[in-house]
Amino acid sequence: AQKVTQAQTEISVVEKEDVTLDCVYETRDTTYYLFWYKQPPSGELVFLIRRNSFDEQNEISGRYSWNFQKSTSSFNFTITASQVVDSAVYFCALSLLGMRFGAGTRLTVKP
Amino acid sequence: DSGVTQTPKHLITATGQRVTLRCSPRSGDLSVYWYQQSLDQGLQFLIQYYNGEERAKGNILERFSAQQFPDLHSELNLSSLELGDSALYFCASSADPFTEEAFFGQGTRLTVV
Repeated sequence: AQKVTQAQTEISVVEKEDVTLDCVYETRDTTYYLFWYKQPPSGELVFLIRRNSFDEQNEISGRYSWNFQKSTSSFNFTITASQVVDSAVYFCALSLLGMRFGAGTRLTVKP
Repeated sequence: DSGVTQTPKHLITATGQRVTLRCSPRSGDLSVYWYQQSLDQGLQFLIQYYNGEERAKGNILERFSAQQFPDLHSELNLSSLELGDSALYFCASSADPFTEEAFFGQGTRLTVV
């Protein structure tokens, strides 16, 4: 069975704090893709990153970074120096013939 | 702007009715996916079409059906609507069903009253 777990339902931080969103996945497949999406209050799903199962290199994009560890089946997302505009629901997803999304983590960044 | 267009943006209808949601994929994308986002079920994959053929099925109810037309746009038909079908319905598209990131439309918010 394929499953994505985002154990943190809600996180609240103060602006400029660093925050890490956890994602743990389960799959028996050896080839798969992992994604992070952001859903701001306006409701659209904004693509952030895609990572395939053979590429365990960490990635950094501006204030965003991702840590993929196959050994622990985790794909965590860190926002450095958070800003109020980062407030949103963040979804981790596992893709193989359609995406399986986690329940999402609601991040609130307070000024 | 993801390039994926969904219409209508909002839809209010009564129980027992039938509605059709429309999705135009990004130019060149052959694969279309439908998802449902509700408060109790979260984001769920419904169905995927690739170049006109059904490719994968998720948690799609028998009252729901979809198709992809030769011009690659897709429609999701929801019939015998129930209050619990109220949700945000997303369409996504990708060029390659295996590897490309899926770009999502803005969604259609369906309210069943």
